[in-house]
Amino acid sequence: KNEVEQSPQNLTAQEGEFITINCSYSVGISALHWLQQHPGGGIVSLFMLSSGKKKHGRLIATINIQEKHSSLHITASHPRDSAVYICAAPPNTGNQFYFGTGTSLTVIP
Amino acid sequence: DAGITQSPRHKVTETGTPVTLRCHQTENHRYMYWYRQDPGHGLRLIHYSYGVKDTDKGEVSDGYSVSRSKTEDFLLTLESATSSQTSVYFCAIRPTSGSSYEQYFGPGTRLTVT
Repeated sequence: KNEVEQSPQNLTAQEGEFITINCSYSVGISALHWLQQHPGGGIVSLFMLSSGKKKHGRLIATINIQEKHSSLHITASHPRDSAVYICAAPPNTGNQFYFGTGTSLTVIP
Repeated sequence: DAGITQSPRHKVTETGTPVTLRCHQTENHRYMYWYRQDPGHGLRLIHYSYGVKDTDKGEVSDGYSVSRSKTEDFLLTLESATSSQTSVYFCAIRPTSGSSYEQYFGPGTRLTVT
């Protein structure tokens, strides 16, 4: 049983398309973390959000804590957005984080 | 940049040999984590530390040990490396000031056990 589920696992899009990646979780959390990992690269933080919506450039993240669901949207996708996107849930109690298995995005020119 | 470095960045070793990976941080964060990342599994927790000499096991701790004798260093040791431990290893820190819900990751160590 995975405490954090992401969908889809793999996604291929044409440049310019609007992209949505979903994250659902079963644990009680107060915030959710979206991470990005380029091929062969490190893991970087995109967003930490506990309610509503956050926007950074062409990336938008939303969360509904009651429904235990978050989405990451990419508008006007570009090949440089090709990466693995990971959602992470820090629990309300304890020190361990729960991670989704990641969504591998490929944007084709 | 949370001031996290990992060494070595790449290592090839033979089955049965001991291996130690080092994670170093410069900002005195209390919480440090070791993860392994494998295709289809995502990030899985090996061990974590909540202070000097305070460590606990994660979900995939078998075959691994850790030590933290100084705040800035968290060492991961494979006592006798096996091919199943071929993976990319990431260290992470969790700040205890500001948002306590984030983790920041080191650049990773790619370990190959032949």
